[in-house]
Amino acid sequence: QVRLVQSGAEVREPGASVRVSCKASGYTFSSHYIHWVRQAPGQGPEWMGVVNPTGKSTSYAKPFQGRVTMTRDTSTSTAYMELTSLSSEDTAIYYCTRDPLPFQRYNRFDPWGQGTLVTVSS
Amino acid sequence: QSVLTQPPSASGTPGQRVTISCSGSRSNIGSNTVNWYQQLPGTAPKLLMHTDTQRPSGVPDRFSGSKSGTSASLAISGLQSEDEAHYYCAAWDDSLSGLVFGGGTKLSVL
Repeated sequence: QVRLVQSGAEVREPGASVRVSCKASGYTFSSHYIHWVRQAPGQGPEWMGVVNPTGKSTSYAKPFQGRVTMTRDTSTSTAYMELTSLSSEDTAIYYCTRDPLPFQRYNRFDPWGQGTLVTVSS
Repeated sequence: QSVLTQPPSASGTPGQRVTISCSGSRSNIGSNTVNWYQQLPGTAPKLLMHTDTQRPSGVPDRFSGSKSGTSASLAISGLQSEDEAHYYCAAWDDSLSGLVFGGGTKLSVL
């Protein structure tokens, strides 16, 4: 079955960067868009951006532009999200998720990874 | 403040029908399709409804979606205890050039 397995929890100090990985299995990785969504404690989800199937094109939500980079490695079926200049407001669970139809971007997310808790604290 | 507005809570008893609303604007719900996600406690969200009214494979037909103008709704009939969860609506927003979520509705089954 389709699975997205993310890297483990991270703790960072303010001003640092974090990179979260998302390993895909059960489908053709290079055929689907990968999105990243975060959820702060007690809040609703927040879309961060998307990387296309080849990894050559990205689109980032305005609040994250200049601070986020999304990439993917087809050889290992792994997607990555790096966020820089962290502050306490970036403390959240970060999810990777897939647009379910090959080569189509409908901004519909299925399935989701298990989530990676990123804690920013001094 | 979320771009899409949902009631923070809803409730019902087993077997009842409940409806969760999602209000937006011309730039999001009025121009694009709506998806709904169910998030059980301590888990990742799950796609529950897409393209306004379409159920993914495996989602019971107790769940239904509708849309009119700049508002959408999720209805759950034959309420069950396992339906207790947070529900989020989402749609693309042309003005923001981004995907926006509602603030979420916590459904309690009494």
